[in-house]
Amino acid sequence: DAKTTQPTSMDCAEGRAANLPCNHSTISGNEYVYWYRQIHSQGPQYIIHGLKNNETNEMASLIITEDRKSSTLILPHATLRDTAVYYCIVRSPSGSARQLTFGSGTQLTVLP
Amino acid sequence: NAGVTQTPKFQVLKTGQSMTLQCAQDMNHNSMYWYRQDPGMGLRLIYYSASEGTTDKGEVPNGYNVSRLNKREFSLRLESAAPSQTSVYFCASTYVRQNYGYTFGSGTRLTVV
Repeated sequence: DAKTTQPTSMDCAEGRAANLPCNHSTISGNEYVYWYRQIHSQGPQYIIHGLKNNETNEMASLIITEDRKSSTLILPHATLRDTAVYYCIVRSPSGSARQLTFGSGTQLTVLP
Repeated sequence: NAGVTQTPKFQVLKTGQSMTLQCAQDMNHNSMYWYRQDPGMGLRLIYYSASEGTTDKGEVPNGYNVSRLNKREFSLRLESAAPSQTSVYFCASTYVRQNYGYTFGSGTRLTVV
């Protein structure tokens, strides 16, 4: 599995865009980038995933660089309820069922 | 649509006692998982079931057993609980081999004294 590197923590002002980076320099051609978040010991919540094109849904946008070695999750208008640990994971959809490894993630704190 | 339901939500056991954590999903997913999360740590995979009738060990299987009862239900059993098994346990499900995100339950908070 490709490894990911994320900053340990980030702060963001409420109402501003939160940009969470992730490095995955060893990503393989068929591996997708997934983002999850975990709000204060609740179960992790799926946010978004992508292969090489930028993706957007009702929660966030995912920007993947052309070489696919890094990506950025964007929360366009962060609220206090977005305070959570955000996990960036790379996974092949054709791989084994065990391929969802959670690292340490980024603790995002949205400040009032 | 309940998603993934875990029971119980909280449990306190004495060392040596046994118990079964229940998990059920109503999304017709084929794969199910059990994770544990210790305080301040990431999730670690205990066991998983890629499809009905199959189970496999994850990263930290010692001290646990699982049963994939049917497509909907995947249980985790602690035969002789130890204080080291104090943790929050999460069940998850998905369609493996497709571009689906995992759906997680709300967790079972287990304390072994």
